[in-house]
Amino acid sequence: QQQVKQSPQSLIVQKGGISIINCAYENTAFDYFPWYQQFPGKGPALLIAIRPDVSEKKEGRFTISFNKSAKQFSLHIMDSQPGDSATYFCAANMGQNFVFGPGTRLSVLP
Amino acid sequence: DTGVSQDPRHKITKRGQNVTFRCDPISEHNRLYWYRQTLGQGPEFLTYFQNEAQLEKSRLLSDRFSAERPKGSFSTLEIQRTEQGDSAMYLCASSRTGYTEAFFGQGTRLTVV
Repeated sequence: QQQVKQSPQSLIVQKGGISIINCAYENTAFDYFPWYQQFPGKGPALLIAIRPDVSEKKEGRFTISFNKSAKQFSLHIMDSQPGDSATYFCAANMGQNFVFGPGTRLSVLP
Repeated sequence: DTGVSQDPRHKITKRGQNVTFRCDPISEHNRLYWYRQTLGQGPEFLTYFQNEAQLEKSRLLSDRFSAERPKGSFSTLEIQRTEQGDSAMYLCASSRTGYTEAFFGQGTRLTVV
């Protein structure tokens, strides 16, 4: 019940395209859902986050869509750029530690 | 630099040796987390401090692992009698009480040979 599932495992997108990464959770006690971006050899960097009282949050080219009834949330990267090539992790939190998904390796082709 | 700082960045050790990592959180962040990340996986929770109190420990934190946060400032993670399975990236993160945003350091890459 603590698990966060994430798909796809890897994603290849052309420059300018839309990248979509999906996550699902079971524990309804989770109340904070961040997305982290990680480049090789670096620590995860907080990208954008959402709480279950809103269905969508947008920051620049990054949008989180949240479906509370389905217990699913997704990250959309609009106008994807080669510099967005990284591994993306969704996570869930209920006040203490964070539970991370297994990650999605995104490659944006020039 | 006001981010989370970890030292060392890389550590190579022989099996059976003890290693210690240090984490300096963002100033005024009273929550501090340790995570372990193996290649191709997401970070896995190890332990969590609220100020100097260690409030939660994962089952992953065997008896060979110990973490401290004296005076609620920096934290250390020690691994005794290292094993090859301990090879991983050890990540530290910090946050403020009442704020859920957690910020990670660059991590310490441990290789046990």
